Amino acid sequence: EIVLTQSPGTLSLSPGERATLSCRASQSVSSSYLAWYQQKPGQAPRLLIYGASSRATGIPDRFSGSGSGTDFTLTISRLEPEDFAVYYCQQYGSSTFTFGPGTKVDIK
Amino acid sequence: EVQLVQSGAEVKKPGESLKISCKGSGYSFTSYWIGWVRQMPGKGLEWMGIIYPGDSDTRYSPSFQGQVTISADKSISTAYLQWSSLKASDTAMYYCARAPRGDLDYWGQGTLVTVSS
Repeated sequence: EIVLTQSPGTLSLSPGERATLSCRASQSVSSSYLAWYQQKPGQAPRLLIYGASSRATGIPDRFSGSGSGTDFTLTISRLEPEDFAVYYCQQYGSSTFTFGPGTKVDIK
Repeated sequence: EVQLVQSGAEVKKPGESLKISCKGSGYSFTSYWIGWVRQMPGKGLEWMGIIYPGDSDTRYSPSFQGQVTISADKSISTAYLQWSSLKASDTAMYYCARAPRGDLDYWGQGTLVTVSS
């Protein structure tokens, strides 16, 4: 099973700042089958990025994904007030899909 | 419009059985995998398993194999998650979601399962 590690655990930033979130896999994720989700309190998660770098339908272009192999990054270029949430990565390149533990982006 | 609508919250006692549902609409239900995800109170997301309603091909996470059963009835565009004997540790929010590639693009609203004596 591929284990995903996300860092930092919490990121404290101000609106307008750039957020850089990391997701590291215990082994290579085949074909960059890596997704990112945003979850706000009391809501279901929302798909942001799939295939490591493709934005899902309706996702603003301030969200971008990059990386391959074992190291992936989600970047939010300029934080909007609605972006403060928990972010999860997920790999689907192996027979058992797994999620990372999440990074909380909160207001500084 | 793609929608996944889950059944309502449940309160059960340890040892009881339970089956929750996830009804898809607005797309070809038999052409997309459906995944199930657990979220325990205050915790992160856990992958449980996935089913292809077209032929009921089902895959489980090792952590959930033997603990739950995932099924689907394509005639009514509904996927299910069931337990034969609930434990207090099954208390969680359970989400279903459509999986076009393995990522999860449309999610149900979640079903809260509470197991308490």
